[in-house]
Amino acid sequence: AQSVSQHNHHVILSEAASLELGCNYSYGGTVNLFWYVQYPGQHLQLLLKYFSGDPLVKGIKGFEAEFIKSKFSFNLRKPSVQWSDTAEYFCAVNARGDSWGKLQFGAGTQVVVTP
Amino acid sequence: GAVVSQHPSRVICKSGTSVKIECRSLDFQATTMFWYRQFPKQSLMLMATSNEGSKATYEQGVEKDKFLINHASLTLSTLTVTSAHPEDSSFYICSAPGLAGVNEQFFGPGTRLTVL
Repeated sequence: AQSVSQHNHHVILSEAASLELGCNYSYGGTVNLFWYVQYPGQHLQLLLKYFSGDPLVKGIKGFEAEFIKSKFSFNLRKPSVQWSDTAEYFCAVNARGDSWGKLQFGAGTQVVVTP
Repeated sequence: GAVVSQHPSRVICKSGTSVKIECRSLDFQATTMFWYRQFPKQSLMLMATSNEGSKATYEQGVEKDKFLINHASLTLSTLTVTSAHPEDSSFYICSAPGLAGVNEQFFGPGTRLTVL
């Protein structure tokens, strides 16, 4: 069955610490990959996306993610977090055979950044 | 970027009543929209694909007679939860793909449904 797994449900870290959130997917074919962020009380916003090309993609707010095809992974990173990065982060996959926009989400990771 | 709105943002209803939730693309047209459901502290689960001018496509396990979807225009999709029960209480979110080539999905702010 197709699935998206996020390894950490909750992450607590201090400002200026580095962040890495794991995401693995299980799909038989080619996929488009996304990371979304949901700040408290706000709607989902796109952080970054990967369709093809350079497997290291850079997004907004200093986030980046690396697609490793052999590991079916798309991990999110930020070298130095800020308090304002406190949010829930979702990895999502769109299988190329599915209609564009049909996303399967991971369970999400709640990130809390302490001052 | 493109904006998707939802109305209402919160609704409380009695068990057995029906509730309609609207999803609008404000500055672009969307022939397809998606409806998701998010339980507390859980991920978004795709419920159905709303298709303008044709029937919605439901994901496995989603009751189409329970969750009626109508995509009457290029900017409006509605989700009606019929004969709502407490277990239908959830956060419902819609999304719409951006323009061709934009390769981005735009999400509405969600509707919190509480069934008493």
